[in-house]
Amino acid sequence: AQSVSQHNHHVILSEAASLELGCNYSYGGTVNLFWYVQYPGQHLQLLLKYFSGDPLVKGIKGFEAEFIKSKFSFNLRKPSVQWSDTAEYFCAVKDYGQNFVFGPGTRLSVLP
Amino acid sequence: DAGVIQSPRHEVTEMGQEVTLRCKPISGHDYLFWYRQTMMRGLELLIYFNNNVPIDDSGMPEDRFSAKMPNASFSTLKIQPSEPRDSAVYFCASSSTGGYGYTFGSGTRLTVV
Repeated sequence: AQSVSQHNHHVILSEAASLELGCNYSYGGTVNLFWYVQYPGQHLQLLLKYFSGDPLVKGIKGFEAEFIKSKFSFNLRKPSVQWSDTAEYFCAVKDYGQNFVFGPGTRLSVLP
Repeated sequence: DAGVIQSPRHEVTEMGQEVTLRCKPISGHDYLFWYRQTMMRGLELLIYFNNNVPIDDSGMPEDRFSAKMPNASFSTLKIQPSEPRDSAVYFCASSSTGGYGYTFGSGTRLTVV
């Protein structure tokens, strides 16, 4: 079965620092890839998604992610984080049907 | 569209009591998912439905948990009897065939004391 790993459990950054959160999935074939964000006390919201085409995907709030098929990776990036980006970030993969497999999440804390 | 609607937002109950969580998916979505989120185990898929039919319930932890979807606009997740280890946030999500991701509800925070 598909599995998703996220490299960091907790990342702490200062405002204006650059962010990269790692995500790897376990096997290839055709996959759809997603990043979700969960702000404190809220539900998961879609940040961005990759289905096909340009492997560099732009999402909301200045986030982007790059799909590297050879590395089974879909890392999330943002050039300059803000305090309001403090949240938990989940990578997810959909490879068949409608079932998503979520990673364990990475908690991001941005210090003002 | 009001999005995926879950009720109640918070539920505190005593061990041994029956708990029913409710979900209204987005109109037109033909898939509905129930997830449980805890600090220890993260997001776990409990069960999902397609066109009101349960497709995969392998994530349902034990017989105390049951889920139904009597029609396209309503689903319930029932725990009977509840135990303290069931304390978690339960999310419902819906999606459509060929759609581009789940839409999550706001969740129900369940505390069993």
